[in-house]
Amino acid sequence: DSGVTQTPKHLITATGQRVTLRCSPRSGDLSVYWYQQSLDQGLQFLIQYYNGEERAKGNILERFSAQQFPDLHSELNLSSLELGDSALYFCASSPHREIATNEKLFFGSGTQLSVL
Amino acid sequence: AQTVTQSQPEMSVQEAETVTLSCTYDTSENNYYLFWYKQPPSRQMILVIRQEAYKQQNATENRFSVNFQKAAKSFSLKISDSQLGDTAMYFCAFMKHRYLSGTYKYIFGTGTRLKVLA
Repeated sequence: DSGVTQTPKHLITATGQRVTLRCSPRSGDLSVYWYQQSLDQGLQFLIQYYNGEERAKGNILERFSAQQFPDLHSELNLSSLELGDSALYFCASSPHREIATNEKLFFGSGTQLSVL
Repeated sequence: AQTVTQSQPEMSVQEAETVTLSCTYDTSENNYYLFWYKQPPSRQMILVIRQEAYKQQNATENRFSVNFQKAAKSFSLKISDSQLGDTAMYFCAFMKHRYLSGTYKYIFGTGTRLKVLA
């Protein structure tokens, strides 16, 4: 168990709809990263938050948005969903301290999104 | 920009044998970190091993070890005594810490699918 919690584990919805994916990082971790993994593909970096602030953006569509709350949990919002948005969405957290000695990503178990 | 290349999309190995997965990266940085993550059929991402670029000694974790060649920018993963449970997708990752901006940047390779045969 990585200590990162993602909910829900599975989500089935229709095209055009909006969904929210939730992530609770490991206790003490300040950074949250979101990744998208389409079937049999690699990890596509979407966005990173550190202590409530957006730190880096990857290939995130304008229809997608995210935020990190004061309690450090994060939500990824996907709107106007299309068939191609079907994928496994990972959240990962990291300590994000000044010294990188123990820095690493801890992944949640993912949310499998199916858009029908 | 940094890139990570895994040139072997798929590999297979007999149970109890040894297999090596390749990873090369491109960077102009001197200090960075390298990782191997495992994604079994359950699709959970699991950290296998971590290497600091400033350390010459290769990292080992039980049956898993790396061959880190900094000058060649190569970071291969060796799995000894392969087990059926090692069947998974393996991702190589590069991480750079930028002290001034306080950011960490991770770049993942496209993965190598490993199948361990009984």
